[in-house]
Amino acid sequence: DTGVSQDPRHKITKRGQNVTFRCDPISEHNRLYWYRQTLGQGPEFLTYFQNEAQLEKSRLLSDRFSAERPKGSFSTLEIQRTEQGDSAMYLCASSSTNQPQHFGDGTRLSIL
Amino acid sequence: TQLLEQSPQFLSIQEGENLTVYCNSSSVFSSLQWYRQEPGEGPVLLVTVVTGGEVKKLKRLTFQFGDARKDSSLHITAAQPGDTGLYLCAGAGGSNYKLTFGKGTLLTVNP
Repeated sequence: DTGVSQDPRHKITKRGQNVTFRCDPISEHNRLYWYRQTLGQGPEFLTYFQNEAQLEKSRLLSDRFSAERPKGSFSTLEIQRTEQGDSAMYLCASSSTNQPQHFGDGTRLSIL
Repeated sequence: TQLLEQSPQFLSIQEGENLTVYCNSSSVFSSLQWYRQEPGEGPVLLVTVVTGGEVKKLKRLTFQFGDARKDSSLHITAAQPGDTGLYLCAGAGGSNYKLTFGKGTLLTVNP
């Protein structure tokens, strides 16, 4: 059973650059979630997909952030014009309907 | 806004000791999950509790969901160095898709 896979594991970029992260969920899972975790905090919800439909976006997700799940399988999270405050671990999780969420190992983003 | 408070925030104990960590909220959750996270990795699911008053055991770990489904506890018996990690509780609301996490309890078990 393949778990949730995220790529890249680490990303270092300069302020103002755009970055894109990819998440491959567990294959039979119809739900996909993005969370952000900063040091000393638990993960915070960003957005949620059921199949290809994005059903909710947190207020944390500013206009610079966009997420897609075009075919209801993998998802991408893009951050435009990165800022220092975007430095965090970005976690992806997936689940079947009404089942617990399983997390990937995240993408660690560092903004120089 | 649903908030989960975990205590203690940090816990350092010797191998063989018992410990309990707590997860409290003023909100009712439809289910509550406990995860364990190691540095540089994602949270790993330990257990899900759904019914008020429910108790689940996973080897040396015992999880309890409060009768009112607002709080939970995790008890570890005879802790081992391999239990070291960040323990996170997370509650799911009515639609059961969005998790609200506590800040976690960072446990260190010294050999």
